[in-house]
Amino acid sequence: GQNIDQPTEMTATEGAIVQINCTYQTSGFNGLFWYQQHAGEAPTFLSYNVLDGLEEKGRFSSFLSRSKGYSYLLLKELQMKDSASYLCAPRTDSWGKLQFGAGTQVVVTP
Amino acid sequence: ETGVTQTPRHLVMGMTNKKSLKCEQHLGHNAMYWYKQSAKKPLELMFVYSLEERVENNSVPSRFSPECPNSSHLFLHLHTLQPEDSALYLCASSQELGGNQPQHFGDGTRLSIL
Repeated sequence: GQNIDQPTEMTATEGAIVQINCTYQTSGFNGLFWYQQHAGEAPTFLSYNVLDGLEEKGRFSSFLSRSKGYSYLLLKELQMKDSASYLCAPRTDSWGKLQFGAGTQVVVTP
Repeated sequence: ETGVTQTPRHLVMGMTNKKSLKCEQHLGHNAMYWYKQSAKKPLELMFVYSLEERVENNSVPSRFSPECPNSSHLFLHLHTLQPEDSALYLCASSQELGGNQPQHFGDGTRLSIL
């Protein structure tokens, strides 16, 4: 079966750093995506990792360890607009099927 | 603006009604997807189309019937739904199946079954 674990909710203050961890156990693996979803809106693509290591993109970075079945999304210099749900989604087979976690709700406080 | 448009945004229907959800993508993508998103649950993949051919049907009840007349349009026909079908239905598209390009999502249709 497929299992993706990420925390339900995290709270941090403006300007701080938050790290959202995701562990996965899937029958296949072919890369991992992170998406951001504001309430009532479409999930939007943040990052993609297929090789081990850190991918940096502005204030957001994503890390992958394939041997450990582990990824994290790092949000730096938090802004109020970063309050949203963050979805971890490993790709589990060759045609690109994504298996989504339940999402981590990040609440940014003043 | 994600390039994927879903209509209607909200839909309330009785269990005996028939309705359809529509999705249109303006990105020139070849793959399209339907997902169901219930509160506090992960997105569940329902159907996948590549070049207008259905690739996967994830054990979805027959009261949900997809249609993909061309690579830009995707429909989800609804008939005799149950209260547990109330959810956000999201459409997505991607350049190809299996590539490293992300899926682009629409804003979804919020469906409520009375």
